[in-house]
Amino acid sequence: DAGVTQSPTHLIKTRGQHVTLRCSPISGHKSVSWYQQVLGQGPQFIFQYYEKEERGRGNFPDRFSARQFPNYSSELNVNALLLGDSALYLCASSLRTDSTDTQYFGPGTRLTVL
Amino acid sequence: AQSVTQLGSHVSVSEGALVLLRCNYSSSVPPYLFWYVQYPNQGLQLLLKYTSAATLVKGINGFEAEFKKSETSFHLTKPSAHMSDAAEYFCAVSLNSGGYQKVTFGTGTKLQVIP
Repeated sequence: DAGVTQSPTHLIKTRGQHVTLRCSPISGHKSVSWYQQVLGQGPQFIFQYYEKEERGRGNFPDRFSARQFPNYSSELNVNALLLGDSALYLCASSLRTDSTDTQYFGPGTRLTVL
Repeated sequence: AQSVTQLGSHVSVSEGALVLLRCNYSSSVPPYLFWYVQYPNQGLQLLLKYTSAATLVKGINGFEAEFKKSETSFHLTKPSAHMSDAAEYFCAVSLNSGGYQKVTFGTGTKLQVIP
């Protein structure tokens, strides 16, 4: 079975630009979460979506937004990119939003902002 | 509020030696705890999780962790390190926060295995 897939693998942008990252969850999983992992740190929670609705949001500015589609895939959008947005962006899927659910992670998208 | 502290950002062990990676948590409610491993340029892979069924949890690749409420710890161990265990390990605490699963990760511990 296919795991969580993310595209693109790598991305280079300049300050002020906009970026869209994509994620396809494991088949049957209805929840998608997004994380930012800055080099040398653990992943930081950005969003969780379930059944196409935003269920939770981490401490990130409004420049970050996301959505989930009817097929449960998801997009993360970041506007007005800053140098500090350079990071590995991880998508994770799970069956639901229970605290015991296992989140399965994709390989990530490496974003570099110049 | 919930948080995770991983003691030691870098740990080195000899091949065949015991692996011990430390994790302490803080949670206002009974926690659910996870250990993930991350190989270079890859996503996170689940090693094991604690969901209150048993305090000693066995995971993949010979790893296990013991939940100790009195010590607020969930340390990861493996009796004998293998070269392939070299990676970064993350401890995480999960709780349901207003209808969503809030997962908080530690800062990670890089494991080096010396031949």
